[in-house]
Amino acid sequence: GDSVTQMEGPVTLSEEAFLTINCTYTATGYPSLFWYVQYPGEGLQLLLKATKADDKGSNKGFEATYRKETTSFHLEKGSVQVSDSAVYFCALVRPNAGGTSYGKLTFGQGTILTVHP
Amino acid sequence: EPEVTQTPSHQVTQMGQEVILRCVPISNHLYFYWYRQILGQKVEFLVSFYNNEISEKSEIFDDQFSVERPDGSNFTLKIRSTKLEDSAMYFCASRGVRGGSNQPQHFGDGTRLSIL
Repeated sequence: GDSVTQMEGPVTLSEEAFLTINCTYTATGYPSLFWYVQYPGEGLQLLLKATKADDKGSNKGFEATYRKETTSFHLEKGSVQVSDSAVYFCALVRPNAGGTSYGKLTFGQGTILTVHP
Repeated sequence: EPEVTQTPSHQVTQMGQEVILRCVPISNHLYFYWYRQILGQKVEFLVSFYNNEISEKSEIFDDQFSVERPDGSNFTLKIRSTKLEDSAMYFCASRGVRGGSNQPQHFGDGTRLSIL
């Protein structure tokens, strides 16, 4: 079945450091890929997405590129802020076998990011 | 911006009791979902709902679980006889029609269910 694997956490960085959170996936067909973020006490919010190979999703200084050859969708940010402290989830959606997609999301285990001043 | 709202934020229930978790999806959305996250584990898909019926469900979603859209605005998850292992954060999500599954799902803040 489909699966998403994220790098082990938690990740602790100083403000303005470079961030990479690795994400790889296993899925048949051509999934769409997402990064969701969960701030303390809140629900999951979409951070960015990419729907086909070589697409780059970006938002709030975060970027991720859909790499089909390595089945990866790594999240990067050049300079993190304290306000970026949250849990980050990589996820995928693919059409079901009949071709009609109801959009079931498969998530990675989440990576806790803590940014210190 | 429209939001998905979930109530209650925290539910404490005795084992064996029935519990209903409530969600109000975004008003023009037609696809609805429930997910759960046991503490320290992945967010897991439970069920999707479209056109007033279940479109897909996971192995977790057994006969103890049911979903309903009783009045055109609410979307509920019922657990008939709760077990200790049902303790988790339950998330409701909804999605519009345009753009298909590529469109992101919008999540509520979750209901923390604690079974005693």
